[in-house]
Amino acid sequence: AQSVTQLDSHVSVSEGTPVLLRCNYSSSYSPSLFWYVQHPNKGLQLLLKYTSAATLVKGINGFEAEFKKSETSFHLTKPSAHMSDAAEYFCVVRWFGNDMRFGAGTRLTVKP
Amino acid sequence: GAVVSQHPSWVICKSGTSVKIECRSLDFQATTMFWYRQFPKQSLMLMATSNEGSKATYEQGVEKDKFLINHASLTLSTLTVTSAHPEDSSFYICSADLSPNYGYTFGSGTRLTVV
Repeated sequence: AQSVTQLDSHVSVSEGTPVLLRCNYSSSYSPSLFWYVQHPNKGLQLLLKYTSAATLVKGINGFEAEFKKSETSFHLTKPSAHMSDAAEYFCVVRWFGNDMRFGAGTRLTVKP
Repeated sequence: GAVVSQHPSWVICKSGTSVKIECRSLDFQATTMFWYRQFPKQSLMLMATSNEGSKATYEQGVEKDKFLINHASLTLSTLTVTSAHPEDSSFYICSADLSPNYGYTFGSGTRLTVV
């Protein structure tokens, strides 16, 4: 069965240090993969997407993610965290048609 | 880029009244839109898929008569919470499907509080 797992419900980093938000999926097929960010009481904003092109995907605000098929992972990274990065992050996997599955979310806290 | 406008951003209503939430695709046509509900500190839960010109498809456990969805045009879908109760208080988000490879574009959400 298809599923998506965000391995950490909460990640806390200091400003200026690297960010790693982990996402794994299970699927018999190659899906499309997305990372969205949600600030409090806001909708979801697309950070980046993987759709079977380059495995290293660069997104907005300095984020990037690497698709690793052998590990069925799509971890989100950023070299240096900024205070404004504090938010909820969702890994989303899309298989056929409208079948999109959301991860449970990872709350990123950035300490000054 | 593709924009989905959701209105209102927040609403407070009395128990027993109905509330309508609008979701508009501003610069593209959306034959399919989606409605989600999000509880505090949780992920999005798909409530229903709204199809232009036809009946919405509801997820299991979602009351069709309570959450009325209308998708009368290619740019507008509405969600009406009928006879609202405090337990309906939540954050509701809509999205539209731009293309299979693009993913969804989300509205900014509506915070509903029923008192």
